Amino acid sequence: SYVLTQPPSVSVAPGQTARITCGGNKIGSKSVHWYQQKPGQAPVLVVYDDSDRPSGIPERFSGSNSGNTATLTISRVEAGDEADYCCQVWDSSSDHYVFGTGTKVTVL
Amino acid sequence: QVQLQESGPGLVKPSETLSLTCTVSGASISSYYWSWIRQPPGKGLEWIGYIYYSGSTNYNPSLKSRVTVSVDTSKNQFSLKLSSVTAADTAVYYCARGFDGGDYSYYMDVWGKGTTVTVSS
Repeated sequence: SYVLTQPPSVSVAPGQTARITCGGNKIGSKSVHWYQQKPGQAPVLVVYDDSDRPSGIPERFSGSNSGNTATLTISRVEAGDEADYCCQVWDSSSDHYVFGTGTKVTVL
Repeated sequence: QVQLQESGPGLVKPSETLSLTCTVSGASISSYYWSWIRQPPGKGLEWIGYIYYSGSTNYNPSLKSRVTVSVDTSKNQFSLKLSSVTAADTAVYYCARGFDGGDYSYYMDVWGKGTTVTVSS
């Protein structure tokens, strides 16, 4: 089965840039989607199709995907961005959704 | 505005069957993929399975032998049954709408708020 690997945690100071990686075999050939989950809340889609943003998501959230790594970038980080972030792809070989291991972003 | 709401018992005894229902409002269930996802305490998201409005299903291989997802289009609902539960099935269970973006782009664009299910005697 397809595996997505994320760093357990990322720390960033307010106003700086946070980069969250999602590693997978030839992930660059897949569409990657990112979810933000704050404590006690349901996940929220923040980036889909590698780099597109749903309506209402700030431009500070952006994504890229190439080779074996996809990246979610949060620019000008705010205290309200502190959350868990999880990547997701569709495994076309099995028609399954696959979630990454998740990354906790801490705003210092 | 599309909304999903999970409902069902919050406590299930070991070896019994967990049953949850997701009610969809603001949109017809007669389209899209409809998924169940769970999150054990302190852990990440685990996809359980989905059903297409036509009734076709697909399940996580790790749970496949115990899972059934069904749909009731007349009630705009879909349901989850997980049999022979153990403490390891204790989790927050979410229902979500799966969007088909084409070209193997599938993601969940609307989520329910989640419901906590505890497996304990």
